[in-house]
Amino acid sequence: DQQVKQNSPSLSVQEGRISILNCDYTNSMFDYFLWYKKYPAEGPTFLISISSIKDKNEDGRFTVFLNKSAKHLSLHIVPSQPGDSAVYFCAASTGGFKTIFGAGTRLFVKA
Amino acid sequence: DAGVIQSPRHEVTEMGQEVTLRCKPISGHDYLFWYRQTMMRGLELLIYFNNNVPIDDSGMPEDRFSAKMPNASFSTLKIQPSEPRDSAVYFCASRSSGRSYNEQFFGPGTRLTVL
Repeated sequence: DQQVKQNSPSLSVQEGRISILNCDYTNSMFDYFLWYKKYPAEGPTFLISISSIKDKNEDGRFTVFLNKSAKHLSLHIVPSQPGDSAVYFCAASTGGFKTIFGAGTRLFVKA
Repeated sequence: DAGVIQSPRHEVTEMGQEVTLRCKPISGHDYLFWYRQTMMRGLELLIYFNNNVPIDDSGMPEDRFSAKMPNASFSTLKIQPSEPRDSAVYFCASRSSGRSYNEQFFGPGTRLTVL
């Protein structure tokens, strides 16, 4: 049973436009959500996070939105840059330590 | 800080052989995690340790897999005997419970190919 789902395996966006990556979860006990970014031949690196008590968190070009009633979160990248091309993992945790990851979405930003 | 260190970076072995993957977490981190990444299942948590003690190994696929953490600076993931379906990238990650949020720091991974 996949508790964290990223239903789009890939996404292609033009440079300068907005990238929207989506994530759904099933466990209402999750209290913290994170996005990680992964380049080929490297480990994932932390990008941005949001607590379940908030509905938005912004860090530069990256914004994460949380809709608890829909059990949905999204990552917005504005404007998208070619260097943003990577695999993005959505993750969720309960109580802080055991973290469940989605399958990832591969983002292509075309120059 | 050198970050999380994993070895080897690549491992090719034959079915039935024993495989040992190694991880050195970031100094001072008290949590260590082992993950497996496959195309079909994405990034799966296999097991995690707190202060060298295994806390949750429910993600370990079967008895062929075992993990140890003999001290705060070293952990191993062993597969014996290995099978072709074990082919994947295995990541080790660590974090500190003192941090205010849940960020984990990942190593570069070990790409395992079982022929």
